[in-house]
Amino acid sequence: GAVVSQHPSRVICKSGTSVKIECRSLDFQATTMFWYRQFPKQSLMLMATSNEGSKATYEQGVEKDKFLINHASLTLSTLTVTSAHPEDSSFYICSASIGTNYGYTFGSGTRLTVV
Amino acid sequence: KNEVEQSPQNLTAQEGEFITINCSYSVGISALHWLQQHPGGGIVSLFMLSSGKKKHGRLIATINIQEKHSSLHITASHPRDSAVYICAVRLLTGNQFYFGTGTSLTVIP
Repeated sequence: GAVVSQHPSRVICKSGTSVKIECRSLDFQATTMFWYRQFPKQSLMLMATSNEGSKATYEQGVEKDKFLINHASLTLSTLTVTSAHPEDSSFYICSASIGTNYGYTFGSGTRLTVV
Repeated sequence: KNEVEQSPQNLTAQEGEFITINCSYSVGISALHWLQQHPGGGIVSLFMLSSGKKKHGRLIATINIQEKHSSLHITASHPRDSAVYICAVRLLTGNQFYFGTGTSLTVIP
């Protein structure tokens, strides 16, 4: 079945540094990828929708200059958390559409800890 | 009020029990997803429904579009079923999803 590979699974970084998270579709072309964030004991929240070859669409309240999304190819989307702060510590997960009738598949998630 | 409500929030069951998790939503949807999130955080998509019923192994998912309600059933539950089960609905237009807050299931041997 359709698989999205997400890396890294865990990352610890210092405040002020940037972290890049990759989501790669392994056996299909993902024209659209979604980035979610999940704080402890809360549900997933959509951050942005990433479309191949165009600018990402960000949800209200998500800083596009802080969370840089690049979707340069049909198989790779990246989320870069710039100038990370401890409050950015969260679980980030991507998903990709595999066609209207085929639903969505999710990456395995990245747990980011900013110290 | 959340657009997607799940119940129960927490559920503990003995191995072998039949389990039902419910999801109600208040918006027009094109599809409903049931997701499974394990303690490590990774998410697996279990079902996508737009009508009727689907079965995969010991898992059964049903949806009633008129009543805006879906259920996820687990037959002959097993400790490895312990996870958080999340209901997510996709709106009729666009790619927006709303997620329930999840049901934390613990199956005791």
